[in-house]
Amino acid sequence: EVQLMESGGGLVQPGGSLRLSCAISGFTFSNHDMNWVRQAPGRGPEWVAYIDRSGNTMYYADSVKRRFTISKDYAENSLYLHMNSLRAEDTGIYYCARVPSGSGWYPFDYWGQGIPVTVSS
Amino acid sequence: SSELTQDPAVSVALGQTVRITCLGDSLRRFYASWYQQKPGQAPRLVLYGNSNRPSGIPDRFSGSTSGNTASLTITETQAEDEADYYCNSRDSSGLHLIFGGGTKLNVL
Repeated sequence: EVQLMESGGGLVQPGGSLRLSCAISGFTFSNHDMNWVRQAPGRGPEWVAYIDRSGNTMYYADSVKRRFTISKDYAENSLYLHMNSLRAEDTGIYYCARVPSGSGWYPFDYWGQGIPVTVSS
Repeated sequence: SSELTQDPAVSVALGQTVRITCLGDSLRRFYASWYQQKPGQAPRLVLYGNSNRPSGIPDRFSGSTSGNTASLTITETQAEDEADYYCNSRDSSGLHLIFGGGTKLNVL
């Protein structure tokens, strides 16, 4: 069974940092591109970052570029999102999401349950 | 344009057919995917590649694209189909992924 489980969220002050983790199981990590998607309260989803199956290509939304870094650890079967210089507008539920093998950048066929991030003083 | 535009809300009577649309210039070049989201849950993929259904999605869900408009059609709508529906594609530059603003489907 495919499973994705986020962790590492919480409350952080503006300007602070957090590292989100996504533990994957039930599929071969190296066969799938992965993404982070977030959703602000009462809003629709917003794509945040992408990493290809090899870990060599990453893309970012303009709103997080140069502040967030996506990475993956094959040995740990984990996807990460390093978030720096956090702002109030980064508040929301963060989801890791898998792309079907061979599909490229999207769609997102499996999602984690989401982890809340709150940026506030 | 770097936007995907959806009607904020649509209503349908139980058992009837409803179409949810997504407008965007990028849809002339890139395919749309559709997600269903119920309160407190993660989004769930219901259509991809404009008209393909993942396993487990009933064939009451279908999709199509014409010009700059992608459509999600639900036939014989059930009470369990009441949810928010989001379209997703690339923006016109092809360099970013975007979501529509969402359509809340009310089943009467």
